[in-house]
Amino acid sequence: EVQLLESGGGLVQPGGFLRLSCAASGFTFSSYAMSWVRQAPGKGLEWVSSVSNSGAGTYYADSVKGRFTISRDTSKKTVYLQMSSLRVEDTAIYFCVKDVVRYSGSWGFDPWGQGALVTVSS
Amino acid sequence: QSALTQPASVSGSPGQSITISCTGGSSDIGSYNLVSWYQQHPGKAPKLMIYEVTKRPSGVSNRFSGSKSGNTASLTISGLQAEDEADYYCCSYVITNTVLFGGGTKLTVL
Repeated sequence: EVQLLESGGGLVQPGGFLRLSCAASGFTFSSYAMSWVRQAPGKGLEWVSSVSNSGAGTYYADSVKGRFTISRDTSKKTVYLQMSSLRVEDTAIYFCVKDVVRYSGSWGFDPWGQGALVTVSS
Repeated sequence: QSALTQPASVSGSPGQSITISCTGGSSDIGSYNLVSWYQQHPGKAPKLMIYEVTKRPSGVSNRFSGSKSGNTASLTISGLQAEDEADYYCCSYVITNTVLFGGGTKLTVL
């Protein structure tokens, strides 16, 4: 069974730093692109960032570019999202997702982790 | 970049069919067959229902189908059931190597 388990969420002050981790299991980690998608309280879904299966390609939403960094560690089967210069508007549940198709990817996300809550507040 | 455009709400009676539209532009839906649809029940993580416009992941009911015409994608649910009541989101790859979601559609089963 494919599982994605996020960790690292919490309360942080504006301007602060946080690193999310997503531990993957149940599939060949190195074959799939991975992404982060967030959902602010009571709002819709927003794509945040993706990393290719090899780790060579990284992609970001304009809203987080220059502040967030996505990476992956194949030996640990883990994806990371390093978040800096955090803003109140970054408050959201952050979901770790796997691409549904190997290698080239389809930009379809399946499955979704249970999510990690990040709260940015003073 | 603006979100893809979805109706805020749709409704239907059990057994009926409904269609949710998702309108983008020539840089996203119009140029790529990389549209996906997600179902989200309250308090739960989203679930992939359709990917690459028309493909269904294993385990998803064949009552769910997807299509695309020009810059607009659509999700059709036939034989509506009470458990289909949820929020639905469309999603598309964009020419700028980014991804856009729609604003979401609340489906009410009457």
